[in-house]
Amino acid sequence: QLQLQESGPGLVRPSETLSLTCTVSGDSIRSSAYYWGWIRQPPGKGLEWIGSIYYTGNSYYNPSLKSRVTISVDTSKNQFSLKLNSVTAADTAIYYCARRRYYKLMGATSDAFDIWGQGTMVTVSS
Amino acid sequence: QSVLTQPPSVSAAPGQKVTISCSGSSSNIGNNYVSWYQQLPGTAPKLLIYENDKRPSGIPDRFSGSKSGTSATLGITGLQTGDEADYYCGTWDGRLSDVVFGGGTKVTVL
Repeated sequence: QLQLQESGPGLVRPSETLSLTCTVSGDSIRSSAYYWGWIRQPPGKGLEWIGSIYYTGNSYYNPSLKSRVTISVDTSKNQFSLKLNSVTAADTAIYYCARRRYYKLMGATSDAFDIWGQGTMVTVSS
Repeated sequence: QSVLTQPPSVSAAPGQKVTISCSGSSSNIGNNYVSWYQQLPGTAPKLLIYENDKRPSGIPDRFSGSKSGTSATLGITGLQTGDEADYYCGTWDGRLSDVVFGGGTKVTVL
């Protein structure tokens, strides 16, 4: 049974870099059928996609966050990671990692996150 | 301001049916598949519907999805107290090159 688990500091100081890791267990991150992504949710608010990565290292980012985000993958550890630099209080959120099913079907894009980690709360504060 | 528009809340009595709408545009819902997520209080979102109307294994057929033009709808029949949650629609936006979500709809069982 596939499981995802986020890990990393729960408190980050303003202007510093937020770093999180997602460990995948129960299946290989090298599966050709899936991407791996990060989504965040500010307290009391909705979902925001941060970005995704394929096991080959090809990464894709939310245009509004692209200048500050790096997502990387370590297939030897079955992990993928998120770095968000120059954080502010607006980056305070629950950060989720998830498996992403992204493919073309009859000319249209199907995009869904089918397995999620439990999420980790990250607070940006001095 | 979310790219996809959902009503903030819907409610109904146990056993009744609710529908949640999700409105978008030709760059997202109009030309791509819609997924729906259920977020129970204090938990991570869970995929309910993908490819507009398909349920992952384990999702009861009380949950259904449909799409018409630039709008999608999630239906929940036989409403139960355990269905009280926030529900989000999501899809790919080809113009923004972005995964977009609705703002979420809170379902209350009266």
